[in-house]
Amino acid sequence: LAKTTQPISMDSYEGQEVNITCSHNNIATNDYITWYQQFPSQGPRFIIQGYKTKVTNEVASLFIPADRKSSTLSLPRVSLSDTAVYYCLVGALLRVTGGGNKLTFGTGTQLKVEL
Amino acid sequence: EPEVTQTPSHQVTQMGQEVILRCVPISNHLYFYWYRQILGQKVEFLVSFYNNEISEKSEIFDDQFSVERPDGSNFTLKIRSTKLEDSAMYFCASSEGRTSGSLPRRNEQFFGPGTRLTVL
Repeated sequence: LAKTTQPISMDSYEGQEVNITCSHNNIATNDYITWYQQFPSQGPRFIIQGYKTKVTNEVASLFIPADRKSSTLSLPRVSLSDTAVYYCLVGALLRVTGGGNKLTFGTGTQLKVEL
Repeated sequence: EPEVTQTPSHQVTQMGQEVILRCVPISNHLYFYWYRQILGQKVEFLVSFYNNEISEKSEIFDDQFSVERPDGSNFTLKIRSTKLEDSAMYFCASSEGRTSGSLPRRNEQFFGPGTRLTVL
């Protein structure tokens, strides 16, 4: 299982772009990179997933360099409501034999957005 | 938008008692999971469930734990004899999974709001 490393915390202000980088040097060929968000006392929520290059959706962008040893979650124009813990996860999408794929969460990055 | 629901939101129990935590996964999902998060700690995987059987479980998921899908909608986690260290937030999750003959779908797991279990 690829180990991930991300900053423990980050501070930002409303309206700024926030980039959270995650290192995953031992990523395997079959592994995807997924980011989840968790607010206090709530379950994690899927943000974005990618395999290589760039992925963008309505809430974030995910940049993955060619070597895939790191990835950067980009949140454009953050607001107070983006204050949360952000988790970078690396793993295969589905097991070959079927069955769900467990998610292995690290400690995440606590993002604090202020006025 | 469909969502995973969990009941109760908070359960208080005495050490040694049995508890059942209930979850209703999203209706067309095929894979079901339980995770727990002790206060201030990481989210930890407990068990995954597919096709009416456990597909994977962690070291935490010992003989005191069991899961069941008693009908077409509910997915339950039972702790037979609770211990103080079982106090945590328990999250149920579900995902679509692969459809026959197709490429793997994005394995997004949808989490419920959690049940806070307090063991006294």
